[in-house]
Amino acid sequence: DVKVTQSSRYLVKRTGEKVFLECVQDMDHENMFWYRQDPGLGLRLIYFSYDVKMKEKGDIPEGYSVSREKKERFSLILESASTNQTSMYLCASSTYRQGGTDTQYFGPGTRLTVL
Amino acid sequence: AQSVTQLGSHVSVSEGALVLLRCNYSSSVPPYLFWYVQYPNQGLQLLLKYTSAATLVKGINGFEAEFKKSETSFHLTKPSAHMSDAAEYFCAVKDSSYKLIFGSGTRLLVRP
Repeated sequence: DVKVTQSSRYLVKRTGEKVFLECVQDMDHENMFWYRQDPGLGLRLIYFSYDVKMKEKGDIPEGYSVSREKKERFSLILESASTNQTSMYLCASSTYRQGGTDTQYFGPGTRLTVL
Repeated sequence: AQSVTQLGSHVSVSEGALVLLRCNYSSSVPPYLFWYVQYPNQGLQLLLKYTSAATLVKGINGFEAEFKKSETSFHLTKPSAHMSDAAEYFCAVKDSSYKLIFGSGTRLLVRP
């Protein structure tokens, strides 16, 4: 079974702190994703990485950055946390399939509260 | 641009009743369609996906969905609801690119 793990289930940070969210997958997947989930808005893509050191902005990248130094690990960084970044953060991974039929597998999520 | 509309943010059914969760999509190219389920305080789990093979797709836990191109729909059904089906359900659409577009979700409540 594919396993995607996230470093914390719950996190509480102060405004202005630098926050790191870590995600690790064990299936040698090329693609990794960071989403945030808010009530009534579904999931929105923050960043996507299709290879080591490669990244693309998603729909809401402002206030976030990412790092992928190893294939299995994808980090989301909040340079200076703000209260409007309080949310559930979900990591996902997938392997390349020609034509785009790949399935994304999700981690359990990190619920971040910024005070 | 692709989009997904899930009708009804909350659906309530009695245990043993039919479950019907609605999903309509907009796509300029033949889409791939997915249903995910999220149990409380957990990540998303794939229920089923349509990738242009059979239009009726069977998934886990007794769920199935039918792709109807003429109606641009991909509704999720289960003949008989169980208490353990209470969760939030997300429909999603993608094309040949990496991007998965999610609907806003439908929370299923199952009454005893």
